[in-house]
Amino acid sequence: DTAVSQTPKYLVTQMGNDKSIKCEQNLGHDTMYWYKQDSKKFLKIMFSYNNKELIINETVPNRFSPKSPDKAHLNLHINSLELGDSAVYFCASEGQDYGYTFGSGTRLTVV
Amino acid sequence: GNSVTQMEGPVTLSEEAFLTINCTYTATGYPSLFWYVQYPGEGLQLLLKATKADDKGSNKGFEATYRKETTSFHLEKGSVQVSDSAVYFCALSFSNSGYALNFGKGTSLLVTP
Repeated sequence: DTAVSQTPKYLVTQMGNDKSIKCEQNLGHDTMYWYKQDSKKFLKIMFSYNNKELIINETVPNRFSPKSPDKAHLNLHINSLELGDSAVYFCASEGQDYGYTFGSGTRLTVV
Repeated sequence: GNSVTQMEGPVTLSEEAFLTINCTYTATGYPSLFWYVQYPGEGLQLLLKATKADDKGSNKGFEATYRKETTSFHLEKGSVQVSDSAVYFCALSFSNSGYALNFGKGTSLLVTP
């Protein structure tokens, strides 16, 4: 039973399109995150939600919009995709005692 | 600001060699420290953590000790295996309520038979 699941696992799309990545956790955690991993493997925080409220909103283009319909879900919508958006996007959730759990990632390729 | 610095990779070792991956941090206050591992094509898994000075985290033969005096959290393993080939990330965080993990740039490890 997957703890943090992301869909899709792979996403190939053309420049200018709009796409969404979904994330769900069944751990009962209150806090969820989106991270971006670039081609050099560097991981950078994008957004954080705590109980459906936006907590962290790093310097990310406003083409990226997170949405948390409930505390078990945190989706990422991206408008007008650009080549530079190609990366692996990881969802994570956090419980008590620094228990961060990561999803397996969504590899986005913009062509 | 808060940051984590790891040794540059890639690191290539023969099986059964001793591993050290250096990690130092800069932080205002006393963070919790973590090592995460990412196997090829997979997500990140927590390898070990330490929440206060002098704590030692350990798991699967890996160890790291939180050294406040040197602001370090070096990862060690006495005898690496081919299956340890992965990217290792050092990270810090400040609370368990919405403060994101701040990662180092990762160190790629390749263990050859």
